[in-house]
Amino acid sequence: DAKTTQPNSMESNEEEPVHLPCNHSTISGTDYIHWYRQLPSQGPEYVIHGLTSNVNNRMASLAIAEDRKSSTLILHRATLRDAAVYYCILTKNSNSGYALNFGKGTSLLVTP
Amino acid sequence: GAVVSQHPSWVICKSGTSVKIECRSLDFQATTMFWYRQFPKQSLMLMATSNEGSKATYEQGVEKDKFLINHASLTLSTLTVTSAHPEDSSFYICSGSGVDGGYTFGSGTRLTVV
Repeated sequence: DAKTTQPNSMESNEEEPVHLPCNHSTISGTDYIHWYRQLPSQGPEYVIHGLTSNVNNRMASLAIAEDRKSSTLILHRATLRDAAVYYCILTKNSNSGYALNFGKGTSLLVTP
Repeated sequence: GAVVSQHPSWVICKSGTSVKIECRSLDFQATTMFWYRQFPKQSLMLMATSNEGSKATYEQGVEKDKFLINHASLTLSTLTVTSAHPEDSSFYICSGSGVDGGYTFGSGTRLTVV
């Protein structure tokens, strides 16, 4: 499986934008880029995913490099509730039967 | 959206006893259920994958006779930790996946074995 590399931790001020980077230099052409986050003592929750084009949803934006070897999760205005561990995960084009393999993720600290 | 209800959210049991954790998919049919455990300050580690009506596939190093997984219906999967020991204390999380792909996680179960 292609691996991802993320910084161990990042810090942001409340109401500021946050850019969480992820490197995936060995990504294959059919791998989707998924982002999940895990709040303390909870199960992970889906944030966003994409293949080649940038994606936006109500939670965040995903910017994917043209060569797909890196991506950035963008939280437009961080709130205290966004403090979590963010995981960047690659999946095959067909999710059925494939488990998500979690790396160490990035622990985001949001300060007031 | 899709919801997986996981119970109990926490449990304390005595060493040597068994504990059952349930995960129910409330508004979708989970053809596949994944079970993870997470030790403090660590990431999620996949324990096993189960498809409805089939035996679970366990990851290397996970004892299938100790961690019994049942996935008898498309909406219910259970994990039973048998003869629990303190080293089994962990955060257990299930994740359901339906025919349209996607993953929905339960809220997790904090198991403490004393």
